[in-house]
Amino acid sequence: KQEVTQIPAALSVPEGENLVLNCSFTDSAIYNLQWFRQDPGKGLTSLLLIQSSQREQTSGRLNASLDKSSGRSTLYIAASQPGDSATYLCAVRMGTGGFKTIFGAGTRLFVKA
Amino acid sequence: EAGVAQSPRYKIIEKRQSVAFWCNPISGHATLYWYQQILGQGPKLLIQFQNNGVVDDSQLPKDRFSAERLKGVDSTLKIQPAKLEDSAVYLCASRFSPGGRDNEQFFGPGTRLTVL
Repeated sequence: KQEVTQIPAALSVPEGENLVLNCSFTDSAIYNLQWFRQDPGKGLTSLLLIQSSQREQTSGRLNASLDKSSGRSTLYIAASQPGDSATYLCAVRMGTGGFKTIFGAGTRLFVKA
Repeated sequence: EAGVAQSPRYKIIEKRQSVAFWCNPISGHATLYWYQQILGQGPKLLIQFQNNGVVDDSQLPKDRFSAERLKGVDSTLKIQPAKLEDSAVYLCASRFSPGGRDNEQFFGPGTRLTVL
């Protein structure tokens, strides 16, 4: 069964701290991986997309890495701010003979001022 | 560039009633998705369209859910009859996939359905 797991489920940090969110997946036949941010009551906002041939992507204070061999991706947030408070979801497009996009349950982040 | 539009934003119905959701994807995006997101969980794919054809509907409860994408643009998702466990946010997303190359998915704001 194809699964995507995100750890931790929730995280509370003081403002200014660097932090890492984790995403693990069971199928090594990955096509790409996308990190999203979801604010309460809102849709998903795309943060970074990593193709299977890439090892990392960067956008501003965000850096996402991909290690296919270990089935893991990390989202690194530098110098966290209260505005970063949201739920972060990873979505993995994986499978052979027909790719499916599977989401993790998300990590709820709270950055304290 | 306009984003993915969805309506209504909120809907409250009683069980066994019918409901329909509408989605207008980003112009030029051939791929359209409907997801169901239950509180505290990640979105689960219900159906994927490529233009007006269905690519994947393996997780769509076909006894009560139906979806169509006429003319390969707008799409509607219908539930008939609704059950209590259908209470969720229904998200529409679209993707530009030129020549099969995968780009980002873009999501609409979602429709929050409450079934009483």
